[in-house]
Amino acid sequence: NAGVTQTPKFQVLKTGQSMTLQCAQDMNHNSMYWYRQDPGMGLRLIYYSASEGTTDKGEVPNGYNVSRLNKREFSLRLESAAPSQTSVYFCASSEEVAGLGEQYFGPGTRLTVT
Amino acid sequence: AQSVAQPEDQVNVAEGNPLTVKCTYSVSGNPYLFWYVQYPNRGLQFLLKYITGDNLVKGSYGFEAEFNKSQTSFHLKKPSALVSDSALYFCALQDTGFQKLVFGTGTRLLVSP
Repeated sequence: NAGVTQTPKFQVLKTGQSMTLQCAQDMNHNSMYWYRQDPGMGLRLIYYSASEGTTDKGEVPNGYNVSRLNKREFSLRLESAAPSQTSVYFCASSEEVAGLGEQYFGPGTRLTVT
Repeated sequence: AQSVAQPEDQVNVAEGNPLTVKCTYSVSGNPYLFWYVQYPNRGLQFLLKYITGDNLVKGSYGFEAEFNKSQTSFHLKKPSALVSDSALYFCALQDTGFQKLVFGTGTRLLVSP
């Protein structure tokens, strides 16, 4: 049981390049999330998926797109990377337990955009 | 709007002493509150949550948190700190209607030997 896995662990992009961050969970959770973590700002929600086939914007969705490929996988795409997207990205998942289940986080992807 | 505040960027405590990491919140309805811990180069790990019931919530690794509705606070506590407790701690508030979490900015806990 690996929990939540993310690839890659590290990535350096040039401004304007694109990339996809991959996330998978093996806990059969319905809900999945993408956050970014920046110093002094805590974690901010980018997008989330309440269930397979649905996605919704979070607090900071601009510049990102997501795909809930199936129940296990939730990817985050940067179409044209900008230096402001330099951050640590975390994927998380949770089970719907009256809407109050805790979230389980992956190890993160550290992205630098030059 | 719902929000969470962690007023201390860093808390320093000596090993064996009690520790408190502060969190206050603002929400229009019933608060659902969480504490998470992040060790270096790792993802966040769930510690404990308050949904309803007893104001003192016990969680992992000997941590507990006290919910105080009148003071809108949810402080994290541990009776005796360990050096291994040194990490970044996040308080979070669940958004109504769905499991979206609103996080505080985090408090770094440093436990000295």
